[in-house]
Parts: sequence; C-alpha cells; structure tokens
Amino acid sequence: QKEVEQDPGPLSVPEGAIVSLNCTYSNSAFQYFMWYRQYSRKGPELLMYTYSSGNKEDGRFTAQVDKSSKYISLFIRDSQPSDSATYLCAMTGNTGKLIFGQGTTLQVKP
Amino acid sequence: DVKVTQSSRYLVKRTGEKVFLECVQDMDHENMFWYRQDPGLGLRLIYFSYDVKMKEKGDIPEGYSVSREKKERFSLILESASTNQTSMYLCASSTIAGGSSYNEQFFGPGTRLTVL
Repeated sequence: QKEVEQDPGPLSVPEGAIVSLNCTYSNSAFQYFMWYRQYSRKGPELLMYTYSSGNKEDGRFTAQVDKSSKYISLFIRDSQPSDSATYLCAMTGNTGKLIFGQGTTLQVKP
Repeated sequence: DVKVTQSSRYLVKRTGEKVFLECVQDMDHENMFWYRQDPGLGLRLIYFSYDVKMKEKGDIPEGYSVSREKKERFSLILESASTNQTSMYLCASSTIAGGSSYNEQFFGPGTRLTVL
C-alpha cells in the first residue's frame, strides 16, 4: 500500500464548477501538507501549504486537512480553463522528505 | 525569483550509455533533490543532498549516482542507462532557513529522458 493515495483521474469539469481533489495517507507522523500544481511540460509549483489540521484559503483555492481521518482536500471554486493542470498532493513529517501522491489531471472546459 | 534550471529538456540515449543530468539553482539553497516522475506513480525521490559533497539515498537510488561539488549544482548520473530508466527527471531545491521541518521545494522544468 502506498503511503499517499491520490486518484489520478482524469477529471473533466465545465468552467465555473467547484472542483474537489483528495488524498489519503497512512503515516500519522505527517504534519506538513502541500498541494503542487504542474502545467504540461513544466515542473511542479507550490500552490497551498498547511501545517497540521484545519483549513486554509487563498482566493479560489481552499485546502483542508483532517488528520483524524488521514485525508486532505483541495477545493477550487469557480474553476477556470487556466486551472487545467495536474495537481499533486505531498506531505512530510520531521524528516522534511516529501512523499507525493500520484497526481490528478484536471481539465476545465470552457 | 528562484530559478532552477536543468541542462536538457529532452534527451535520447542508448542502453548502456553513461548519462549526466545537470541541475543548477541560483538561490543559494542548501538542499537539492532529484526525482523521477512516471504516470500513475507520482514523484519518487532518487537522491538528495543537504550540503556540498553530501548525499543521501532516496526511495529509488538503484542504478543512479549523484555529485555535488558546488552548492548551486547537483548532477544525476546514470552509470549504464537502461530502458526502465526512461522517465521525466525533476530537480528541486530548498532552503533550510527558519527551523521548520519543511521548506518549499522549487522545481526545475524537468528532463524527459528516453533510453532506447
């Protein structure tokens, strides 16, 4: 069993839809939770970063962490075609070494 | 603005060749990382380095070696390339400032390596 599980999709939604991306994990030592966005033929870029449990909002993006369920989510409101990318969850504990999910490919259709 | 550059975007090599992938960062970061990215598997850590001449094995170091002679440069070496090393290779760097166990990793654009 992988330490971090993420549905690879692909996920296709119409413009304006609310998108929900999720990851589950098994290691209770994870404390830092990240979402990276990767456009085609580019390297990943950090989108959101959360420490421990709770919510964090940044514009149209909301990251949620539920440590009791070992479940993290990224919500995108009013999705735009420019949000079309692969979204990677990543997490780490005390080591600083990142463990990535498989990535979910999202397409937002105009 | 942090910049991580990789020597090639696309590379085609033959089985058995020695392959060098170069990565340079311009932000004086202490940590540097090499990952490979494969469909359905996400990013997997090959090696990382937290200082010049220091290296640590990641999750999949077999068939690879690394070199860090200067702080800004981290090289990944495939001693004898094999077809199962066909992949996207991503380099990243991060600082250790702030005392946090996590600092953002900045990625390069990747090198897509094909081994024939």
